[in-house]
Amino acid sequence: DTGVSQDPRHKITKRGQNVTFRCDPISEHNRLYWYRQTLGQGPEFLTYFQNEAQLEKSRLLSDRFSAERPKGSFSTLEIQRTEQGDSAMYLCASSSGRDLTDTQYFGPGTRLTVL
Amino acid sequence: AQKITQTQPGMFVQEKEAVTLDCTYDTSDQSYGLFWYKQPSSGEMIFLIYQGSYDEQNATEGRYSLNFQKARKSANLVISASQLGDSAMYFCAMREGSTGANNLFFGTGTRLTVIP
Repeated sequence: DTGVSQDPRHKITKRGQNVTFRCDPISEHNRLYWYRQTLGQGPEFLTYFQNEAQLEKSRLLSDRFSAERPKGSFSTLEIQRTEQGDSAMYLCASSSGRDLTDTQYFGPGTRLTVL
Repeated sequence: AQKITQTQPGMFVQEKEAVTLDCTYDTSDQSYGLFWYKQPSSGEMIFLIYQGSYDEQNATEGRYSLNFQKARKSANLVISASQLGDSAMYFCAMREGSTGANNLFFGTGTRLTVIP
């Protein structure tokens, strides 16, 4: 069973450009989460999917951010009109939702740098 | 108020010694879960150990144990017999149960350095 994968691992973009990140969860995990981590901080929750339904969105997720999980498998996170403040590590996690702990397993992250 | 507080920005430990990383939490929920993750310089968050609020025994996973003191709202991670590969950032996190939310709240982390 492979772990959570994310692509790309690094992205450098210019302010104002759009970027899209992909997350492939652990197979058969029906729950998928996106977090953002800035330097010196712990991850902060952005959004959560159960299957293809987006059930929770943080106030951090401005209208420039959109996330999808169209077939309940992989997910994409798009940032439109990037700003320098969007520079961060974007982490994806998945969980099975079938045990009491519902442990979230994380991918390696996508590090975004906005110039 | 911060839901998770980690007051030690950095800790040093001699190889083969034990070390305790502190974590306090704030919640009014009766049902919650506490997690510890390790983040090496590569960036991936690695799950280490879980403690449920109703668990009466402290959780243990190999060299990791969780010192859970519910009344004090603390969930300290104990790493025994430290190894050089334990050098990393360590994050404490909590999931609250009553709201139905599934997101984790993380602390600011503790950077552990294991000295040979």
